[in-house]
Parts: sequence; C-alpha cells; structure tokens
Amino acid sequence: DTAVSQTPKYLVTQMGNDKSIKCEQNLGHDTMYWYKQDSKKFLKIMFSYNNKELIINETVPNRFSPKSPDKAHLNLHINSLELGDSAVYFCASSLGLEQETQYFGPGTRLLVL
Amino acid sequence: AQSVTQLGSHVSVSEGALVLLRCNYSSSVPPYLFWYVQYPNQGLQLLLKYTTGATLVKGINGFEAEFKKSETSFHLTKPSAHMSDAAEYFCAVSPTGGGNKLTFGTGTQLKVEL
Repeated sequence: DTAVSQTPKYLVTQMGNDKSIKCEQNLGHDTMYWYKQDSKKFLKIMFSYNNKELIINETVPNRFSPKSPDKAHLNLHINSLELGDSAVYFCASSLGLEQETQYFGPGTRLLVL
Repeated sequence: AQSVTQLGSHVSVSEGALVLLRCNYSSSVPPYLFWYVQYPNQGLQLLLKYTTGATLVKGINGFEAEFKKSETSFHLTKPSAHMSDAAEYFCAVSPTGGGNKLTFGTGTQLKVEL
C-alpha cells in the first residue's frame, strides 16, 4: 500500500480554471503538508496542517486553499489558475510537529496552458 | 530565518569513487538537519537526519553525513558510488522549536559514470 498518495499524477489545464489535488496518507500521521517544486527543482513549503488545524501558511496567493476533511486527507484547491502555477506539488505527512521525518507523496505535475 | 546552501548544482563521479555533496546552513541556533533524495519523477525519500546526539549520522544506501557546528555544515558522503545513486539530493533544515517546517537547499544533481 502506498503510504502517501496523490491524485491526479498529471494535470493539464487552461489558465483561469479551478482545479483540486487530493492527498491521502495511511500512516496514521497527525501532520500533513503541501510543497511546491518549481521548474528549477526548488522546493518550498506552502501549508501544513496538524490534526486538521492550519499550522503553517506561507506567503501563498489566496487562490490556493487547503482543506483537511480529516487527519488522513489534505486537499489543495486552486482557483483561477495562472501560468506561474505550473509546477510539481508534493504532499507529505509526519507523525507530528517535532523534528519528525516527513514522508512524501509521488507528486502531482501541474501544467497550466 | 533559516537558509540552506548546497554548493554545486551538478556533481559527477565515477562508479566506485567517493561521493561528497556539500551543504551549509545559516541559522541563529543549530537546526535539525536532513538529506533527502529524489529519483526521476518520484517524491522525496529521507536518506538521514540529525537532531541530537552523535554528530556522524548514518543513513540508508551507505550514505552518511557529519554535523559540524563550527563550520555550519552537514555534508553528505558515500565511500563508493553506485550507478543507482544517480538522483537529485536535497539538504534541508527545520527549526528546533518545533513546527517541522522544512527549508530546502536548491538541490545537487548527482551523476555516476562508468
């Protein structure tokens, strides 16, 4: 069984559309994260949730809205997609908030045309 | 604010040679330190981490790293490179105060040649 899974794996869409990326972890972890990896492979944290509560919210446009329906899921909804949103989005989870190893999903490759 | 510098965006070694990937950090207090590996079209996998205790940390696949506070470094090494080691390697830090927010370096692409 995949520990951290993301759907879809690839997403190609037009500018202005709204799209969602789903993330699920079956590790029983309390904390989940979203990272963005740009075309130069630079990774930056976007959000983290602990027990469904928002902990980290970096300077991300408010077109990006995370939603955690339960501890095992953290979805990312993006409104009014822009060209600059093209990237690979990684979901991750950890046992908790203290120096815990983060386990990454396989990534969702988003291309905005 | 914390930051991570990885010297050399591309490193090439021969199979069987020593692998040395450099990582320096900037932080007001020593942070927790991590090395992750990313194989093509895959997510990141933890190689090793330093939190407290012994400064020489051993990880998976024969990799190890040494935390040197005086040099603010956490370089990754492997005595003998294998073709399967070819990947992107990321050094990362997180604050000791909790929150688990990882700040990544820009990555080093390791190429292993026959």
